Amino acid sequence: EAQVTQNPRYLITVTGKKLTVTCSQNMNHEYMSWYRQDPGLGLRQIYYSMNVEVTDKGDVPEGYKVSRKEKRNFPLILESPSPNQTSLYFCASRDPSGYSYNEQFFGPGTRLTVL
Amino acid sequence: AQSVTQLDSHVSVSEGTPVLLRCNYSSSYSPSLFWYVQHPNKGLQLLLKYTSAATLVKGINGFEAEFKKSETSFHLTKPSAHMSDAAEYFCVVSVIGTYKYIFGTGTRLKVLA
Repeated sequence: EAQVTQNPRYLITVTGKKLTVTCSQNMNHEYMSWYRQDPGLGLRQIYYSMNVEVTDKGDVPEGYKVSRKEKRNFPLILESPSPNQTSLYFCASRDPSGYSYNEQFFGPGTRLTVL
Repeated sequence: AQSVTQLDSHVSVSEGTPVLLRCNYSSSYSPSLFWYVQHPNKGLQLLLKYTSAATLVKGINGFEAEFKKSETSFHLTKPSAHMSDAAEYFCVVSVIGTYKYIFGTGTRLKVLA
């Protein structure tokens, strides 16, 4: 089954304790992206990756890091989490051929709480 | 610059009555437009997409949307609401020349029995 998986699904942590949220897709997509969803703000892009070793900032990159060492994986790293990073996070992937026409496939989400 | 505006943050309808969720976009070029649905505690699922072929786009679960260039709108409709349609709906525009997606702020649909 074609899918995007994220782990963990729920995470409660404390300020300053480094954490990683994993994302993996099995569709051989080159393009992957991370979003955060906050009430009333919709989804905002954090980082995206066009291919292995190619990443770029989205609209809200501060406080986050990413890496893309393999095509299927795109982890999101919070080096020193703060309470304002409490949010619902989504990973997505997309086939970039066809340019802007192709839809993104989303993971199930990771609900992060930073105390 | 491209942008998308969902005109209603909340919509309530009775079961069996029509649904209208409104979306306006701003784009210098012919855009690609999408509607996604998010059920409670679930990820986002594609309902339908417009890619400059037919202006009336049919999606899953009886939803459809009409692209109106003159009105810069891409409203989502369904003839008869079902309880299972209760969810949050996002209108999305894909930025031409990039791989960037811009999300609207969402419309929460409530279906009353």
